[in-house]
Amino acid sequence: AQSVTQPDIHITVSEGASLELRCNYSYGATPYLFWYVQSPGQGLQLLLKYFSGDTLVQGIKGFEAEFKRSQSSFNLRKPSVHWSDAAEYFCAVVALDSNYQLIWGAGTKLIIKP
Amino acid sequence: ETGVTQSPTHLIKTRGQQVTLRCSSQSGHNTVSWYQQALGQGPQFIFQYYREEENGRGNFPPRFSGLQFPNYSSELNVNALELDDSALYLCASSLGAGGGENEQFFGPGTRLTVL
Repeated sequence: AQSVTQPDIHITVSEGASLELRCNYSYGATPYLFWYVQSPGQGLQLLLKYFSGDTLVQGIKGFEAEFKRSQSSFNLRKPSVHWSDAAEYFCAVVALDSNYQLIWGAGTKLIIKP
Repeated sequence: ETGVTQSPTHLIKTRGQQVTLRCSSQSGHNTVSWYQQALGQGPQFIFQYYREEENGRGNFPPRFSGLQFPNYSSELNVNALELDDSALYLCASSLGAGGGENEQFFGPGTRLTVL
């Protein structure tokens, strides 16, 4: 069965510093991969997705992610974080053996230090 | 164009009761998916409705049921509530079934507390 692991429950970063959130997946073939952000009181918003092609994917709000097949990873990065980036971030993979439904990681809460 | 809306925002029920949660999909979308998000966890897929038919179900018991209406809005019904049903229930709409190439747009959720 497919699974997604986000090893870091919380990450604290100073405003203006760079960010990397880790995501590892378990799946035999090339997966569809996603990063979502969830702010308090708001719905989940898609940041970016990877289906195929260029392994470096650009998303909204200045985020990017890199698919590394050899490491089964899809880490999210941002060169310089802003206080408004404080939120919870979820990595997800499509379950191709379950009607293409999303399988989610447990999330990483991003805390921004002023 | 309105986004996905859910009602109510918050709900408190007691064990054994029944609850109905509602979702209005984004304009033009024909697919609705429901997720349960327990505190500190990622969402868990409950089921999906595509053009009024159930189109996939996660690992949830039959007391979780749903409907999709001709206008593509949807209901999630939970019977015989248990304490572990306390969670944020998320609805997502998309144009087309599945969770892959068809981007899902999420509502803000309904926070259900079971006492």
